[in-house]
Amino acid sequence: DVKVTQSSRYLVKRTGEKVFLECVQDMDHENMFWYRQDPGLGLRLIYFSYDVKMKEKGDIPEGYSVSREKKERFSLILESASTNQTSMYLCASSSPGRSTGELFFGEGSRLTVL
Amino acid sequence: AQSVTQLDSHVSVSEGTPVLLRCNYSSSYSPSLFWYVQHPNKGLQLLLKYTSAATLVKGINGFEAEFKKSETSFHLTKPSAHMSDAAEYFCVVSVDGSSNTGKLIFGQGTTLQVKP
Repeated sequence: DVKVTQSSRYLVKRTGEKVFLECVQDMDHENMFWYRQDPGLGLRLIYFSYDVKMKEKGDIPEGYSVSREKKERFSLILESASTNQTSMYLCASSSPGRSTGELFFGEGSRLTVL
Repeated sequence: AQSVTQLDSHVSVSEGTPVLLRCNYSSSYSPSLFWYVQHPNKGLQLLLKYTSAATLVKGINGFEAEFKKSETSFHLTKPSAHMSDAAEYFCVVSVDGSSNTGKLIFGQGTTLQVKP
């Protein structure tokens, strides 16, 4: 089975702290994504990556950055956390050559910024 | 531009009765459409997908959806609800027609409540 693992299920941080959210997938997928999930808004794409060291902005990249140094790992970074970044963060991966768009999701990281 | 609208934010049914979750889409070309399910405190799981093959798509756990181009709809149905179906459901459209980029647009979600 495809497994996407997010290292932290629950985090509590203070305003201004630097926050790292880590995601690892074990299926050699080329594409990796970070989404933010808020009630009533569905999922919104923050950043995505098609390959190592490659990244593209999604719909709401402000206040976030990403890093993809290895194919299996995609990190989301909040340089200076703010209360409006309190949310559920979901990582996903896919392989364009082996699927018709299916994304495989991790279980999410719920971040609270105080 | 592609978009998707889930017409109900919350649906409540009794166990054993039919389920209907409504979704309309907007796309400049023939879309790829998906339904995902999210159980409490879990990640999203693919229920089913439409990619220009048969218009009636069968998924896991007895769910199915019908692509209706004339109505720009992709409603999700199940003949008989089970308590384990209680979850949040997302209708999703691909950003480009091929869906190979993996970029998807998610609806706002519909919470399905199943009463005993």
